[in-house]
Amino acid sequence: TQLLEQSPQFLSIQEGENLTVYCNSSSVFSSLQWYRQEPGEGPVLLVTVVTGGEVKKLKRLTFQFGDARKDSSLHITAAQPGDTGLYLCAGEGSNDYKLSFGAGTTVTVRA
Amino acid sequence: SAVISQKPSRDICQRGTSLTIQCQVDSQVTMMFWYRQQPGQSLTLIATANQGSEATYESGFVIDKFPISRPNLTFSTLTVSNMSPEDSSIYLCSVTTGSGYTFGSGTRLTVV
Repeated sequence: TQLLEQSPQFLSIQEGENLTVYCNSSSVFSSLQWYRQEPGEGPVLLVTVVTGGEVKKLKRLTFQFGDARKDSSLHITAAQPGDTGLYLCAGEGSNDYKLSFGAGTTVTVRA
Repeated sequence: SAVISQKPSRDICQRGTSLTIQCQVDSQVTMMFWYRQQPGQSLTLIATANQGSEATYESGFVIDKFPISRPNLTFSTLTVSNMSPEDSSIYLCSVTTGSGYTFGSGTRLTVV
C-alpha cells in the first residue's frame, strides 16, 4: 500500500506548456522530497520541503507543501524537453529517516 | 552531497544463482538504504543497513533472500539469493547526509 498517492501517473505535453504533479497522503511527514529520475540512473533530489505552507522555487519549478504537511505539488512553467523524466515524491518518516515513495509521474515534453 | 559508486550497473543471471551488488560511498555515512524498483514502478525499501548491527528489513523482505553486509561506514553489499524471474528489477542503494538523500545509479538485474 502506497502511503503517498501521486497523480497523474502519466503526463504528455507540448514544449512551452505548464504542468502540475500532485502528491497526497493521510500521513504527516517530517519532510517531503521531490526527485527526478532518468532511465538508467538513480533518482536525483530536486527539493526538500519541511515547513507547512512552504513554497520553494527552483528556476521554472515551483514546489508547495500543504499546511498540514500531508500533501505537496510540483508545478513546471514553460516545460522543455529536458524536463522529461519520472518525477517521484517521497515522504520522510519522523523517527526513522526512511523514505516512502509515491508511484511516480512519467512526464514527457514533446518538442 | 555524497557520491555513490554502485556496481554492477546491470547483469543477466540464471535462475537459482545469486548476485551481489556493491555500493561505495565517498564519505562516511551512518545509514545506508537498499531499494527495489520494479519495471515502470516506484521504489520500495528493502532494508536499512547500519554499520555494526544487523540490517533492518521491511515487511515482505527477509535476510535469507536479501542478505546485506555493512563492514564499514563507506561500503555495503546486497545479495539477491536463489534468484527467480520475479527478482528481475532495478536495485538501488541510498544514503542520507543531512542535506538530502543520494542514490546510486542502480543495478538492472534480469533473471532468465
